[in-house]
Amino acid sequence: GNSVTQMEGPVTLSEEAFLTINCTYTATGYPSLFWYVQYPGEGLQLLLKATKADDKGSNKGFEATYRKETTSFHLEKGSVQVSDSAVYFCASVSQGGSEKLVFGKGTKLTVNP
Amino acid sequence: DTGVSQNPRHKITKRGQNVTFRCDPISEHNRLYWYRQTLGQGPEFLTYFQNEAQLEKSRLLSDRFSAERPKGSFSTLEIQRTEQGDSAMYLCAPETGPNTEAFFGQGTRLTVV
Repeated sequence: GNSVTQMEGPVTLSEEAFLTINCTYTATGYPSLFWYVQYPGEGLQLLLKATKADDKGSNKGFEATYRKETTSFHLEKGSVQVSDSAVYFCASVSQGGSEKLVFGKGTKLTVNP
Repeated sequence: DTGVSQNPRHKITKRGQNVTFRCDPISEHNRLYWYRQTLGQGPEFLTYFQNEAQLEKSRLLSDRFSAERPKGSFSTLEIQRTEQGDSAMYLCAPETGPNTEAFFGQGTRLTVV
């Protein structure tokens, strides 16, 4: 079945620093890939997604590119803000069957002023 | 507004009691998924419905758990004889396939004391 391996946290950065959170996946076929964000005390929000190889998902200054050759979907942001402090989850889903999401364990990001 | 209403948002119960959660998607969806998120972990798939039919159940779903979707719209998840290990956030999602928005409700946080 599918699996997702995500960079272990926590990650602590200063404001305006560059962010990378690594995510790799294993799957049969070509899954769709997602990044979710969970702010303190809140539910899961879809941040961005990509459905095929070389697609780039982007939202709120975050980007991730679907790399088939390295089976990766790393999350990046050029300049983080304090308000980006949250837990970030990488997830995959394959078409057909149950189409259930498989999540990584999450990476907690803290951005200090 | 996440497009999914989950009630209650929080539930504290004594060990051994039964609890029931409800998930109400705002619009019609053929599928509905339940996930569970324990502290410090990513969400894990529990079960899903295609209309009224429950098509797959995770190994996480012990005999104490039962889920229904009687009219193919809202769904309920019941846990009988709760245990402390059931403490978690229970999340509902109408659709999580590759070509969907894959959004979640705010969840029900269960604490078993």
